[in-house]
Amino acid sequence: QSALTQPRSVSGSPGQSVTISCTGTSSDVGGYDYVSWYQQHPGKAPKLMIYDVSKRPSGVPDRFSGSKSGNTASLTISGLQAEDEADYHCCSYAGNYIFAVFGGGTTLTVL
Amino acid sequence: EVQLVQSGAEVKKPGESLKISCKGSGYNFSKYWIAWVRQMPGKGLEWMGIIFPGDSDTRYSPSFQGQVTISADKSISTTFLQWRTLKASDSAMYYCARQGAVVAGYWFDPWGQGTLVTVSS
Repeated sequence: QSALTQPRSVSGSPGQSVTISCTGTSSDVGGYDYVSWYQQHPGKAPKLMIYDVSKRPSGVPDRFSGSKSGNTASLTISGLQAEDEADYHCCSYAGNYIFAVFGGGTTLTVL
Repeated sequence: EVQLVQSGAEVKKPGESLKISCKGSGYNFSKYWIAWVRQMPGKGLEWMGIIFPGDSDTRYSPSFQGQVTISADKSISTTFLQWRTLKASDSAMYYCARQGAVVAGYWFDPWGQGTLVTVSS
């Protein structure tokens, strides 16, 4: 099972919106509505931001949203803030035996 | 509060064995899958495998099958990640993470704080 494909880095200015893509196959992203996204600040553990493609856990700002089309999922962060600067990892369910596959991670820089 | 607490950092030599742990609290430990995830320095997250503590049903990523052993002891609400023979390339941060929900909970929350493993001669 190959890793999902994410851009290495994205950037945006405060107040702007950015979108991070996550491309897989019909065996993972395209096959299930079970994509999740995690934010990771340097030296910290990952934190769940989006699950089941577009659901937000309580406490996550509504500036964070998720979507999916075919084999590609996306995380959009609107109204960028300095504290959004972090690494973002996507993850997809891939069946009963593989269970999960992650993307390579995207570094978001707030200019 | 639902929490996963991992054992402390380890420094080992190549060829040595190692077992690190992840203790859950604040929920019914037996009912949620727990995954182990590797993060090599400066790299992304890699799913290694997952265990259901209720019956120790375990699944491994093909990349890690045969390289590590995942186990659980539900009597002490703890899962383990074990190596028989460490290599320098096993140096990484290792996280445990709980399945998000008992039914169709295909996300991970919460995560442990991570265990840094350094393998060096």
